[in-house]
Amino acid sequence: DAGITQSPRHKVTETGTPVTLRCHQTENHRYMYWYRQDPGHGLRLIHYSYGVKDTDKGEVSDGYSVSRSKTEDFLLTLESATSSQTSVYFCAIGMDASGGATGELFFGEGSRLTVL
Amino acid sequence: AQSVTQPDIHITVSEGASLELRCNYSYGATPYLFWYVQSPGQGLQLLLKYFSGDTLVQGIKGFEAEFKRSQSSFNLRKPSVHWSDAAEYFCAVGPNTDKLIFGTGTRLQVFP
Repeated sequence: DAGITQSPRHKVTETGTPVTLRCHQTENHRYMYWYRQDPGHGLRLIHYSYGVKDTDKGEVSDGYSVSRSKTEDFLLTLESATSSQTSVYFCAIGMDASGGATGELFFGEGSRLTVL
Repeated sequence: AQSVTQPDIHITVSEGASLELRCNYSYGATPYLFWYVQSPGQGLQLLLKYFSGDTLVQGIKGFEAEFKRSQSSFNLRKPSVHWSDAAEYFCAVGPNTDKLIFGTGTRLQVFP
């Protein structure tokens, strides 16, 4: 168990409202990721982080921002939610060894977001 | 740009039959290759990975995959499928190990 939790697990919101999803880990891993999962698209990387205050964009970052002020928390924010952001969002932590990331990701259970 | 293709959206097999799930990638050099499995309502779990060396890699739950550079493929196989293998399977590729690109997934259905 990699000790990763996502909150909230389910959320329904209206177009134009801000939304923040939280990913919390208990094992001090450096690498953290936010993916979204949509039918026919698989998982697409939104943003990722290599450590505190060290984040970068993934392939579908438009409309999303992230923050990592503590090692254990990686927040994903939708500043003004749109219906196209209705999705299941997965946080993942990347296992790392002395040489860097190993490629093994541990995923949270997902956050289902519906934007009406 | 790197990409990964899983040509089969949905596969149905009988329990006890063999299984092969296809994965093709596009990348200029030897990529890092992974297979993940997702059970309904769950996050993804790593089945196996290939970085270098022996092109046939063994994973958990009796799965294996073979890297074929000439075909740009990394197909997942299992000699005898169990009903509990019903899930969605994702191939992933990376130029390195810290940022993976996932395929669109193959949903496996197993009939008794």
